[in-house]
Amino acid sequence: EPEVTQTPSHQVTQMGQEVILRCVPISNHLYFYWYRQILGQKVEFLVSFYNNEISEKSEIFDDQFSVERPDGSNFTLKIRSTKLEDSAMYFCASSDSLNPYNEQFFGPGTRLTVL
Amino acid sequence: AQSVAQPEDQVNVAEGNPLTVKCTYSVSGNPYLFWYVQYPNRGLQFLLKYITGDNLVKGSYGFEAEFNKSQTSFHLKKPSALVSDSALYFCAVRDGNNFNKFYFGSGTKLNVKP
Repeated sequence: EPEVTQTPSHQVTQMGQEVILRCVPISNHLYFYWYRQILGQKVEFLVSFYNNEISEKSEIFDDQFSVERPDGSNFTLKIRSTKLEDSAMYFCASSDSLNPYNEQFFGPGTRLTVL
Repeated sequence: AQSVAQPEDQVNVAEGNPLTVKCTYSVSGNPYLFWYVQYPNRGLQFLLKYITGDNLVKGSYGFEAEFNKSQTSFHLKKPSALVSDSALYFCAVRDGNNFNKFYFGSGTKLNVKP
């Protein structure tokens, strides 16, 4: 069964450093997403991406965040200058359509720890 | 605005007993409701979804969910719990005005004891 994969599984970084979280969505999917979950809190929507551009972003997704699909398979989330409060689990997801009844498929997550 | 509430942080049940994991929602427009499960070190796995017309929805691994419009609830159920069902369960609602977004509940940890 096709899966969304994410690397690394755990990333530790110093405050102020840049990090790139990587995702490989399911191959025939067209819509890509990033969510995050701060420990003990809800899973929160960050951004959606379609046709090589951001289609929607939340208030959390400020100028320090960016997303990119650098090639035909990867989907990345970059945090330019990490803050302590960016420590969270980051989930990538993909879907094949915007049909509201269709589920999104999630990766296993990357745990980001900012020291 | 869309939101989901899971009132229980944790549910404990003995193997073989029925289980219920509660979820209530608030939406404007049609409710597009989903349940996901997360096992340790794994991503969120889709369990089931509500499609208009079927108040009792059947999903993976013997789980089902009951949609109740008057109570705005979408509780997850299973007639007979297994130890292997122990995991973190998330209820989610899709934004009726923007299908890009899912809103998740805070999650309920299900512990099934032998």
